[in-house]
Amino acid sequence: DIVMTQTPVSLSVTPGQPASISCKSSQGLVHRDGKTYLFWYLQKPGQSPQLLINEASNRFSGVPDRFSGSGSGTDFTLKISRVETEDVGVYYCMQSVEYPITFGQGTRLEIK
Amino acid sequence: QVHLVQSGAEVKKPGASVKVSCTASGYTFTDYSIHWVRQTPGQGLEWMGWIHPHSGGTNFAMKFLGRVSMTRDTSITTVYMVLSGLTSDDAAVYYCARELGGPTPAYWGQGTLVSVSS
Repeated sequence: DIVMTQTPVSLSVTPGQPASISCKSSQGLVHRDGKTYLFWYLQKPGQSPQLLINEASNRFSGVPDRFSGSGSGTDFTLKISRVETEDVGVYYCMQSVEYPITFGQGTRLEIK
Repeated sequence: QVHLVQSGAEVKKPGASVKVSCTASGYTFTDYSIHWVRQTPGQGLEWMGWIHPHSGGTNFAMKFLGRVSMTRDTSITTVYMVLSGLTSDDAAVYYCARELGGPTPAYWGQGTLVSVSS
């Protein structure tokens, strides 16, 4: 199985400041179709996960442009340009280049 | 818009089976696979498998082979996930999620809490 490792485990950010989360995969995530099957989710307190970024760098419908994804190969990053209070929750990366689909262990974002 | 509604919380005894339903609306039901993902305090988010409502075809994670089944009823746009041989390790919130258009859970249901206790 592909292992997804996120860092940091948690971070505390002042509103208006940037935040960055790293995700490393144990294998490359580029499919033979040329797409990179790396995704980012946010699970707000008491809610289901919601998709933020698909294929490493594409914001999902309705996701604010302060969220951006980057990376290639086995190293990926989610950045929030200016954190807002509504961004609190746990962020997960996920790969679906091969089965089983696997998730990172999560990064908890709290507001200072 | 895409909407998935799951059945309510369940309490089961060890060794029993649980059946969770997921009713979809807002799109053509037979066009997209439905994934099942569970969330436990110890294991985090765990992908269990998917079912394609058009064909009924399934793909399960090896971990759950022999214990999980997924079926659908297209007349009521509902998919079902049955997990058998429950142990305390199966206590979790179970989510269904419609795929994005590739093998990716994108639109999630509200989750179903399954407790396992004697």
